[in-house]
Amino acid sequence: GIQVEQSPPDLILQEGANSTLRCNFSDSVNNLQWFHQNPWGQLINLFYIPSGTKQNGRLSATTVATDRYSLLYISSSQTTDSGVYFCAVVMKTSYDKVIFGPGTSLSVIP
Amino acid sequence: DTGVSQDPRHKITKRGQNVTFRCDPISEHNRLYWYRQTLGQGPEFLTYFQNEAQLEKSRLLSDRFSAERPKGSFSTLEIQRTEQGDSAMYLCASSLASGSVVRQFFGPGTRLTVL
Repeated sequence: GIQVEQSPPDLILQEGANSTLRCNFSDSVNNLQWFHQNPWGQLINLFYIPSGTKQNGRLSATTVATDRYSLLYISSSQTTDSGVYFCAVVMKTSYDKVIFGPGTSLSVIP
Repeated sequence: DTGVSQDPRHKITKRGQNVTFRCDPISEHNRLYWYRQTLGQGPEFLTYFQNEAQLEKSRLLSDRFSAERPKGSFSTLEIQRTEQGDSAMYLCASSLASGSVVRQFFGPGTRLTVL
């Protein structure tokens, strides 16, 4: 089956710093989403981005489908950005089965 | 749009007992998914419904697990004869599929602890 890898697994940032999270996937995908899981366990949709670039405030994401990777940029990080960031893909062979990566755990310290 | 809701939020049970969780999707969403998440891992797919039909089940869904979605609205996930290994967060998601677009919205989860 498809493999989804994320890097780095853990990241500690000083408040105000920028960071880039990476997601690699081993097969063609129909769509890709980035989620943020807060300390209470709630998964929040950040981006639906099967290809191209999108921006939402301090966050932006780029997916290069042909090279099978996606990047999530966090600028001017805040303590509320702490949590786990997941990349999730849906394979082209299945419209419905979402495969999550292992996540990047981010801690933003004041 | 009130979001996806799940009930209960927490459940503590003794090994061998049966438990049932409920998920109410976003009202116009025709697809509903169940996932399980253990500590330090990403969510793992369990099963998926389109309307009331259960179209896909993971091999993770042993015969002690059963899911239903009567009338294509809310869904229930039942675990019979719970084991300590069933302790996890059980997440529900829903989506309104349009062509190949499958954008899922997640509920807050039910955290199960089996003693």
